[in-house]
Amino acid sequence: DIQMTQSPASLSASLGETVTIECLASEDIYSNLAWYQQKPGKSPQLLIYYANSLNDGVPSRFSGSGSGTQYSLKINSLQSEDVSIYFCQQNYDSPPTFGGGTKLELK
Amino acid sequence: EVQLQESGPGLVKPSQSLSLTCSVTGYSITSNYWGWIRKFPGNKMEWMGYISYSGSTSYNPSLKSRISITRDTSKNQFFLQLNSVTTEDTATYYCARGSTIGFAYWGQGTLVTVSS
Repeated sequence: DIQMTQSPASLSASLGETVTIECLASEDIYSNLAWYQQKPGKSPQLLIYYANSLNDGVPSRFSGSGSGTQYSLKINSLQSEDVSIYFCQQNYDSPPTFGGGTKLELK
Repeated sequence: EVQLQESGPGLVKPSQSLSLTCSVTGYSITSNYWGWIRKFPGNKMEWMGYISYSGSTSYNPSLKSRISITRDTSKNQFFLQLNSVTTEDTATYYCARGSTIGFAYWGQGTLVTVSS
């Protein structure tokens, strides 16, 4: 299985700040990477697919980048509603695998 | 609008089988892929398997022969059965629609606790 290592595991940031979450794949996944946001008590929501494509309805302050084995999710101008757990997931090889999650809190 | 809803027992005894139903509205399960994903306490997420638009299945090898995913196209539902459960199968179980971009639609999730 492809291992997805996500960092940091938790993150505390202020309103208006820019935050970055990293995801490292154990092998090249050729940009077949998705990012999800899971708000407390809710199901995960797809934010980004193919590493850098914004899903419909997702605010433009979210962006994704990367290639090969290294990927990142950036949130510009952090808002209170961004408090969530964020997951990366590779869709290149079966079984699909997820990162361990990053818990984003407000400082 | 595509909507998915899980249903089933919230408590299962060790060694018994876990059975869940995912009811889909707004989209036919004879298109795309329909899967089960679970989230363990502590946030670890695991893809369990899927049933495709044609009825073919694919399972996570970690679940070996314990898992079965089936469907009823007349009711637009698909099902999860996980046999010989242990306390390590305690998790929130989600059904989701999968595609090459990932999982764009999810159910609200159902907590299943394995305990005697």
